[in-house]
Amino acid sequence: GQQLNQSPQSMFIQEGEDVSMNCTSSSIFNTWLWYKQEPGEGPVLLIALYKAGELTSNGRLTAQFGITRKDSFLNISASIPSDVGIYFCAGVTNAGKSTFGDGTTLTVKP
Amino acid sequence: EPEVTQTPSHQVTQMGQEVILRCVPISNHLYFYWYRQILGQKVEFLVSFYNNEISEKSEIFDDQFSVERPDGSNFTLKIRSTKLEDSAMYFCASSDEYNSPLHFGNGTRLTVT
Repeated sequence: GQQLNQSPQSMFIQEGEDVSMNCTSSSIFNTWLWYKQEPGEGPVLLIALYKAGELTSNGRLTAQFGITRKDSFLNISASIPSDVGIYFCAGVTNAGKSTFGDGTTLTVKP
Repeated sequence: EPEVTQTPSHQVTQMGQEVILRCVPISNHLYFYWYRQILGQKVEFLVSFYNNEISEKSEIFDDQFSVERPDGSNFTLKIRSTKLEDSAMYFCASSDEYNSPLHFGNGTRLTVT
């Protein structure tokens, strides 16, 4: 089945710094999604990308759907303490199946 | 904003017992999913459900698992004879189109002792 390689696995940053994480796959996806999960909760959708090359922003978050349709990145600018959590990418096939990356655990030091 | 609700939030059961995890998807959604997350690991696909039947299932979703939409609002996951390794967070999700983003519930933490 499809596998996503998400990196980095974890990040420890200072408040105010920018963050970048990415996902790559050997498979092509129709849609790339980025979710954030906080302790005791389910993943919450941050950004959805539907077209190769698409660059989409949501506040301080920016994500791009790679041209090859096999990768995506998420940037967070000017991080704040509430950005703490686990960020997951997910690729969605044309059959509608979502495959998740292993997650990037973000810690923001005030 | 509409949300997916799951009950119970935490279920403790003994090995070998049957459990039923319940979900109420967003009301106008047609596609329903169960995912599992073992503590500290990634979210894993279990099963997708559309038009009252399973559309896809993973290797994890063996004969011990079953899903049902018993009425117009609930979507359930049954584990017939739980094993220790079934301990995990189980997330229900729904979407309005087959390739639309999934909306997740807050999960049921299942602990098998």
